[in-house]
Amino acid sequence: GAVVSQHPSWVICKSGTSVKIECRSLDFQATTMFWYRQFPKQSLMLMATSNEGSKATYEQGVEKDKFLINHASLTLSTLTVTSAHPEDSSFYICSLNIASETQYFGPGTRLLVL
Amino acid sequence: AQSVSQHNHHVILSEAASLELGCNYSYGGTVNLFWYVQYPGQHLQLLLKYFSGDPLVKGIKGFEAEFIKSKFSFNLRKPSVQWSDTAEYFCAVTTDSSYKLIFGSGTRLLVRP
Repeated sequence: GAVVSQHPSWVICKSGTSVKIECRSLDFQATTMFWYRQFPKQSLMLMATSNEGSKATYEQGVEKDKFLINHASLTLSTLTVTSAHPEDSSFYICSLNIASETQYFGPGTRLLVL
Repeated sequence: AQSVSQHNHHVILSEAASLELGCNYSYGGTVNLFWYVQYPGQHLQLLLKYFSGDPLVKGIKGFEAEFIKSKFSFNLRKPSVQWSDTAEYFCAVTTDSSYKLIFGSGTRLLVRP
């Protein structure tokens, strides 16, 4: 399966600051990556689909101006949480699929906004 | 809207007990079905998947799942669990030709040695 990395693995920031999370595909080129959010004791919720070279597709209820996604290359997608607030504290996970209709997940990034 | 239901939120078993975790989905069209596992401190890993063909699919680590179309179910089973199976298990589906995964709420399994 594909190897997916995320950086950082955890981050603590002050309210009002912006945080960038990177998702890298280490051994495959991915035209599509996905970003999920997982609140404590809850399931993964798809936030957006990241498309290489074009705009991301956001799920209903997800603010595109708050969660900026950039997919500038076939191996890197970034999620920037702008003006983060405590309610944005969560576990952010990226994934990608490579022609097999199976998604491979990154290890996740835990964000804590104080 | 499509949804996935996992009825057991927490399951506690002793080693060697049999396991069955329920998963039901709501969608009338074509589905692909998945079970993912998340071990403590680790990322999601694919246990098994069903796209078509034999409705009984076998995955890694002795797990299997059966797709019953008439019941909209895809229950996960293992005849004899081990302590190392302690993890959270997620059922997920994609519908038609979409790659979007819809997850169930997850089931936390604790296996007592």
